[in-house]
Amino acid sequence: DAGVTQSPTHLIKTRGQHVTLRCSPISGHKSVSWYQQVLGQGPQFIFQYYEKEERGRGNFPDRFSARQFPNYSSELNVNALLLGDSALYLCASSWDRAWGNGYTFGSGTRLTVV
Amino acid sequence: DQQVKQNSPSLSVQEGRISILNCDYTNSMFDYFLWYKKYPAEGPTFLISISSIKDKNEDGRFTVFLNKSAKHLSLHIVPSQPGDSAVYFCAAMGQSGSEKLVFGKGTKLTVNP
Repeated sequence: DAGVTQSPTHLIKTRGQHVTLRCSPISGHKSVSWYQQVLGQGPQFIFQYYEKEERGRGNFPDRFSARQFPNYSSELNVNALLLGDSALYLCASSWDRAWGNGYTFGSGTRLTVV
Repeated sequence: DQQVKQNSPSLSVQEGRISILNCDYTNSMFDYFLWYKKYPAEGPTFLISISSIKDKNEDGRFTVFLNKSAKHLSLHIVPSQPGDSAVYFCAAMGQSGSEKLVFGKGTKLTVNP
């Protein structure tokens, strides 16, 4: 079975640009969460979606948005990129609004803003 | 405001010995705690968890201890193996209604042959 798939794996963008990151959850998983991991820090919660509805939002500016599609895949959008947005963006899926051991993480998208 | 703290950025142990990774938290609303392991170029992988109603949970070579009064948990790996070399993240969750994981900064464990 395929795990959580994220695309692209690496991305370089210029300040002020917009970026879209994609995540395909494990088949049957209905919940998708996004995390940002800056170098030297632990992952930080950005969003959680369950059954296409936003269930949680972390302390991130409105430049960050996300959505979940009918097939439960998800997109994370970041507008007006800043240098500080350079990070590893992780997607995690679970079959329900599960406890943390139910979350499976993808390998992430490494975003570099120059 | 770091609600989950891993104060040791790195730890080095000999193969076969015990590895002890520590984690402190400040938010008393956390009631479920987890350890994740992360290799370079991979996402975090769930290792072991513990509910706040317990003080110990064991899974093979991995044991997690929770001291609620001290707001402290630790992960013991016995015996340590070179394949255990990775970054270990402590994470916490609040009561139902908040499914987000709050992570510490991680501890890089190196197990030397």
